[in-house]
Amino acid sequence: GAVVSQHPSWVICKSGTSVKIECRSLDFQATTMFWYRQFPKQSLMLMATSNEGSKATYEQGVEKDKFLINHASLTLSTLTVTSAHPEDSSFYICSAREDRLGRSTDTQYFGPGTRLTVL
Amino acid sequence: AQSVTQPDIHITVSEGASLELRCNYSYGATPYLFWYVQSPGQGLQLLLKYFSGDTLVQGIKGFEAEFKRSQSSFNLRKPSVHWSDAAEYFCAVGGFGNEKLTFGTGTRLTIIP
Repeated sequence: GAVVSQHPSWVICKSGTSVKIECRSLDFQATTMFWYRQFPKQSLMLMATSNEGSKATYEQGVEKDKFLINHASLTLSTLTVTSAHPEDSSFYICSAREDRLGRSTDTQYFGPGTRLTVL
Repeated sequence: AQSVTQPDIHITVSEGASLELRCNYSYGATPYLFWYVQSPGQGLQLLLKYFSGDTLVQGIKGFEAEFKRSQSSFNLRKPSVHWSDAAEYFCAVGGFGNEKLTFGTGTRLTIIP
């Protein structure tokens, strides 16, 4: 149980294009999902908290107009990197907190990550 | 502010030897503590978690961790490592009503035959 998928697993795009990454909770509902960014050999940096049906909450220093987050259902959140540039190349990981009895629990389950390379 | 310190960047152990990975945290209330493992190019897998109760928690893959409030520590242990345990290990802290997790910088574990 508690499986989170991400699609695509890797993507290469040209500078200036937009890329959408999907995060799905496969066997549970998740009111709250999170998006992280991880640089090589470093820890995870929280970018934003995504809540179903409401606007995402972005961490300080993260451009909300560049990293668009949509959490349209209890099993799907998307991250769109708009007008991507080489400095946006990174490993993006999502996580989801399982809903039980109508409330979000305190354990995050992580997706396998998406490797973005911007040329 | 909450923080996590993993003092060991890289640890090398022989296969079959015991393992202890250190984690110290700073949190203003009762912490929720987690250990995750990450294989290269993969996401994070939850090994174990502590919310309350017995301070020695058992996880998957033969791992355990002990919460010591007096030392603000949550060290991960395994009595006998296997080559497949080679990975990056992250300790994280959160709390009741605090939906964010704060991660340590990770400890890379290398297993030698």
